[in-house]
Amino acid sequence: NAGVTQTPKFQVLKTGQSMTLQCAQDMNHEYMSWYRQDPGMGLRLIHYSVGAGITDQGEVPNGYNVSRSTTEDFPLRLLSAAPSQTSVYFCASQNRGSPLHFGNGTRLTVT
Amino acid sequence: QQQVKQSPQSLIVQKGGISIINCAYENTAFDYFPWYQQFPGKGPALLIAIRPDVSEKKEGRFTISFNKSAKQFSLHIMDSQPGDSATYFCAARTYTGNQFYFGTGTSLTVIP
Repeated sequence: NAGVTQTPKFQVLKTGQSMTLQCAQDMNHEYMSWYRQDPGMGLRLIHYSVGAGITDQGEVPNGYNVSRSTTEDFPLRLLSAAPSQTSVYFCASQNRGSPLHFGNGTRLTVT
Repeated sequence: QQQVKQSPQSLIVQKGGISIINCAYENTAFDYFPWYQQFPGKGPALLIAIRPDVSEKKEGRFTISFNKSAKQFSLHIMDSQPGDSATYFCAARTYTGNQFYFGTGTSLTVIP
C-alpha cells in the first residue's frame, strides 16, 4: 500500500517555464488537496477536490491549475513559473471526516 | 490572516524534559484539532488529534490539552527524546468545509 505518491521529488525551473507536479493515491479517498510549505508560513492550501471532476480554490490558488479526471490522480500545473512559486509542495488525500494523509513532497526551485 | 496561531517558532529541550507547543484559534466552527509531526524530507504525519467535547487526550508520551472557552489547545511531549526532534504543526478543521487550516509550525530540537 503506497499511500500518497508524489513525483518528482525535486525540480528546478526557469522563470516562465511550465510543469506538472504529479500526485496519486491508492486509498480510494474522495478528497485530495495541494498545499505549499514555506518557512514561517506553515502549510497553505492551493486547490482541492471533493471527487472526480470537482475542484475548487484554496487560500493561495493564483498561478496554479488542477484537474481531477480520476479518483486516484490529482496533478498540479504551473503554467508560467515565477520565483515566488519556489516552495515545497505537498499533496494530501482523505475521506470526509478523516485525517489528512500526505505525500513526501516535491521541492521546487524557480530561478 | 492566520486562522490558527502557533507558538513558539522553535523550541530546544533537554532529553527527558517536557516540550510544550501552543495554538490558538478564533473560528468557533472548528470541530477537529489534529497535530502533525514532520521529519526532514518527509510529509507531515498525523500524531494525535482531539475534538472539542473533551479537554484532554493522551497517547503514550503525547498529550493534547484543549481549552474551549479560551479557544486554545496545546501539545505536551513528556520525557522528550532526541527522536522527537521534528517540526510540529497544529491544525483545525470545520466539518462542513472539510478544509484544514495549519499553524506556522514549531521546530523542536531535543538535546541528548
